[in-house]
Amino acid sequence: DADVTQTPRNRITKTGKRIMLECSQTKGHDRMYWYRQDPGLGLQLIYYSFDVKDINKGEISDGYSVSRQAQAKFSLSLESAIPNQTALYFCATSDRRLADSTDTQYFGPGTRLTVL
Amino acid sequence: DAKTTQPPSMDCAEGRAANLPCNHSTISGNEYVYWYRQIHSQGPQYIIHGLKNNETNEMASLIITEDRKSSTLILPHATLRDTAVYYCIVKAFGNEKLTFGTGTRLTIIP
Repeated sequence: DADVTQTPRNRITKTGKRIMLECSQTKGHDRMYWYRQDPGLGLQLIYYSFDVKDINKGEISDGYSVSRQAQAKFSLSLESAIPNQTALYFCATSDRRLADSTDTQYFGPGTRLTVL
Repeated sequence: DAKTTQPPSMDCAEGRAANLPCNHSTISGNEYVYWYRQIHSQGPQYIIHGLKNNETNEMASLIITEDRKSSTLILPHATLRDTAVYYCIVKAFGNEKLTFGTGTRLTIIP
């Protein structure tokens, strides 16, 4: 979905390096998410944010941190990258509608991260 | 959230209807059935969701059994671009986490 963009799309880094993945959205959604996907597996939630002052840990937050700089921007950082953080990383936004009790998530194109 | 069971893979001829089943026998009354798909290594794409009534949109139809213990996603006229992994997810409104299992790898055969 072109409304959710991620940079960089591919990144190769070395063990111990700090790296930041960035996500921007033009959908106007309040909620944003970071997921990782390992080969052949489903997605796992790392962090999510309801707004710029509300950050929450997901199921695999260890080794990661996030920053919600604005409603439209949500960054994921690896302070000291390790090889088992090699994965596909996806950002998503959510359109929560109380009127019909639905909250659909829309995903960015992903960042392929390799930690050597 | 309730656990889902899907066949690991399916084939469908191009132009035919693709019917993807999903079992969710432990679904709770407030949980919705969502379907997403992931083409190659792209970001997952929302397809459709429902609570208990059958639903249809421009992409697909969702048939939920009366007891809500299973559902079927129907792609009415499959094309080669529908080749993807399809995920059936059961989630309550307000739960932030989408639990992706291993899904069904659907291959459309020319």
